[in-house]
Amino acid sequence: AQSVTQPDIHITVSEGASLELRCNYSYGATPYLFWYVQSPGQGLQLLLKYFSGDTLVQGIKGFEAEFKRSQSSFNLRKPSVHWSDAAEYFCAVGATHGQNFVFGPGTRLSVLP
Amino acid sequence: DGGITQSPKYLFRKEGQNVTLSCEQNLNHDAMYWYRQDPGQGLRLIYYSQIVNDFQKGDIAEGYSVSREKKESFPLTVTSAQKNPTAFYLCASNPGTELYEQYFGPGTRLTVT
Repeated sequence: AQSVTQPDIHITVSEGASLELRCNYSYGATPYLFWYVQSPGQGLQLLLKYFSGDTLVQGIKGFEAEFKRSQSSFNLRKPSVHWSDAAEYFCAVGATHGQNFVFGPGTRLSVLP
Repeated sequence: DGGITQSPKYLFRKEGQNVTLSCEQNLNHDAMYWYRQDPGQGLRLIYYSQIVNDFQKGDIAEGYSVSREKKESFPLTVTSAQKNPTAFYLCASNPGTELYEQYFGPGTRLTVT
């Protein structure tokens, strides 16, 4: 069965600083990987996804993520964080059928002015 | 615009009462899902349905029930048997035939006192 870990429960960065959120997965085959963002009291919005091909994936809002098979990782990055990026971020892994979609526990991002 | 609607946004009930949460989608998606979200625990799958008139238990189905009489609707009933029903509930969907990202509704916060 798949599993996803996000080692950082809470991260605080200053506005304008770079950001990296970590995600490690466990899955026997080629994973399908996703990053979602959730503002308080809202649903989840897809930031980006990796199915195959180029291991560096570009997403919305200036985010990118890199798939590293050797490290079983799919870390999310942003070169310069904006105050509006403060939210909860979820990494997820899927398989060939949607019912096997598994989410990590989330990382809460706080942004200092 | 296509999307997923969940109503109401906030729901309050007395302990011992059943309550039904609404989820409607106009994306023509085959698969629909219900998740429960508690602070620090990410998303946990309650039930999912891949086609009309069929649904499967997820990881935490006890105390919940669902129906899928129409493709666009997947209501969740939180029964009095659910020991700790206060939570944020998220409905999601995807096309179901191949792996796609999950599309989320805005969520319903249920408070039971």
